Amino acid sequence: GQQLNQSPQSMFIQEGEDVSMNCTSSSIFNTWLWYKQDPGEGPVLLIALYKAGELTSNGRLTAQFGITRKDSFLNISASIPSDVGIYFCAGLQGGSEKLVFGKGMKLTVNP
Amino acid sequence: EAGVAQSPRYKIIEKRQSVAFWCNPISGHATLYWYQQILGQGPKLLIQFQNNGVVDDSQLPKDRFSAERLKGVDSTLKIQPAKLEDSAVYLCASSLDRSNTGELFFGEGSRLTVL
Repeated sequence: GQQLNQSPQSMFIQEGEDVSMNCTSSSIFNTWLWYKQDPGEGPVLLIALYKAGELTSNGRLTAQFGITRKDSFLNISASIPSDVGIYFCAGLQGGSEKLVFGKGMKLTVNP
Repeated sequence: EAGVAQSPRYKIIEKRQSVAFWCNPISGHATLYWYQQILGQGPKLLIQFQNNGVVDDSQLPKDRFSAERLKGVDSTLKIQPAKLEDSAVYLCASSLDRSNTGELFFGEGSRLTVL
């Protein structure tokens, strides 16, 4: 099946630092989304992107839909302890109803 | 607004036994999804319903997995017989829209351990 490649796989940062993560694919996607999953919970939608080149912010989160439509990145600024969790990128291809997820990036924030 | 409800939260069975998971989506959400999440991986779609019809079940192992959403509201996912590799969290999600925007609301998941 279609794969989304997320990097890095994990990050350890200090509270207050910024963090960036990205997601790439060999195929074009029409929609990119970023979800966060806390331990023992289901993923929660953070940001949705629907247009190539789109840059969207949600508080301390900023995400961009790559101009080639094959990638997306997520930035978290001024990290806080509650940012700890696993961040997943997800994408929808044109004409497909199936949402595909990356393998996730585990973030640890040291207070 | 109540979220997506799933039960049971945890289930331990032996291989070749059967198990069933239940999901009640957010009220009014037409689309319901079952995802399988193996430890260390992202969720993988098993089946997607729109009302009581199947939209996509291409990745559902139909020799052992079955799912239904008879009245277009709650849904049941069954595994019979279970294999060791079925150990995973089974996530149910729902969405309001009929054209998929990818904006899903997930339940807490049902964690299955097969011994």
